[in-house]
Amino acid sequence: GAVVSQHPSRVICKSGTSVKIECRSLDFQATTMFWYRQFPKQSLMLMATSNEGSKATYEQGVEKDKFLINHASLTLSTLTVTSAHPEDSSFYICSASEGAGTVPRRVYTEAFFGQGTRLTVV
Amino acid sequence: GENVEQHPSTLSVQEGDSAVIKCTYSDSASNYFPWYKQELGKRPQLIIDIRSNVGEKKDQRIAVTLNKTAKHFSLHITETQPEDSAVYFCAASRSGTYKYIFGTGTRLKVLA
Repeated sequence: GAVVSQHPSRVICKSGTSVKIECRSLDFQATTMFWYRQFPKQSLMLMATSNEGSKATYEQGVEKDKFLINHASLTLSTLTVTSAHPEDSSFYICSASEGAGTVPRRVYTEAFFGQGTRLTVV
Repeated sequence: GENVEQHPSTLSVQEGDSAVIKCTYSDSASNYFPWYKQELGKRPQLIIDIRSNVGEKKDQRIAVTLNKTAKHFSLHITETQPEDSAVYFCAASRSGTYKYIFGTGTRLKVLA
């Protein structure tokens, strides 16, 4: 199947600093990628939809100024957690589908997930 | 808003028994329903999916059923094995959006 690579896999940062997480589709192009947050023993909560060449679409309750998303190319989306606080500590995971970005557009396609990033803010 | 409910949250079965996990979705426009398995600290992996134009799909020990009228779908695992132990997530999506709304997850434990 398609490969989505996420980097870094683990990061520890100090309160007040910013952290950037990268999500890359390695063997396909994706005009749309998704960012999720997962707390321990909980589900994947969709944070935002990353759109190549345009602004991200954020889910209700997610602060767009806190979680900056940039989708500068068809294979790369980045999530920057700005002014991180301990409550931002979590597992962040991205996904992308091959269908998004293909011509003609394929509508039923599997979402492939990155390996996730465990963020710890101290 | 869109919502997917999943039950049970935890499930313990004896090796060889069957396990059933149920999900209910709220968006009647949803027409694609994947199931993911997530092992501890790892990324979710697709195990089976079903589209709204079919009522059932089977792949070896795993099957999924869909009831569009009731807006619910279920995952069935037969002859469970210890390696089936993981967290399972259902999801619902509208074709072409690639946006998944996930259920709350079911922690399955298969007891040897």
